[in-house]
Amino acid sequence: QVQLVQSGAEVKRPGASVKVSCKTSGYTFSGNVITWVRQAPGQGLEWMGWINPLNNKVYYVEKFQARLTMATEMSTRTAFMELRSLTSDDTAVYYCARGVFYYMDVWGRGTTVTVSS
Amino acid sequence: QSALTQPHSVSGSPGQPVTISCTGTSSDVGAYDYVSWYQQYPDNAPKLILFDVNQWPSGVSDRFSGSKSGNTASLTISGLQADDEAIYYCCSYAGNFKWVFGGGTKLTVL
Repeated sequence: QVQLVQSGAEVKRPGASVKVSCKTSGYTFSGNVITWVRQAPGQGLEWMGWINPLNNKVYYVEKFQARLTMATEMSTRTAFMELRSLTSDDTAVYYCARGVFYYMDVWGRGTTVTVSS
Repeated sequence: QSALTQPHSVSGSPGQPVTISCTGTSSDVGAYDYVSWYQQYPDNAPKLILFDVNQWPSGVSDRFSGSKSGNTASLTISGLQADDEAIYYCCSYAGNFKWVFGGGTKLTVL
């Protein structure tokens, strides 16, 4: 079955960077985009962007464009999301999800990123 | 892109129906039949329950149904059950390869 397994929780200092991985299995990796969504504590879902593993085309929400990078590694069927210049506002659970046409059908369990001095 | 507007909370009694609205604009909900709904339990990842306004993913109960009128989409849960208690999020395609979520609605089963 389709699975997305995310890397473990991270604690970062303000100003640092974090890189979250999302290892996929159970489907053709190049056949679907990977979407990244985050959720701050007690808050709703925030769509961040996507990457197409077929051609590494990306789309980032404007607020993240200057400090967000998404990448993929075909050999390991893994997607990565790196967020730089972290502040306490970036404390959140970060989810990867498989994109199918116009929705997200399978989600990873999430990676908790805590930004604290 | 502003978040879609959902009621903060709704409630209903077991066996009764409940409807959650999701209001966007003519650039997102009103423009495309690409509204999806997600159910999230505390400390769990969201789960897809409807896509393309009213289509069910495999394995999802048909007690969940969706509709859309103008800039507002709706999720209706019929025959409310205790395990329907969760937070529900709508999401819409907003054109130009971007998506937007609603703020989430907490459903309480009385």
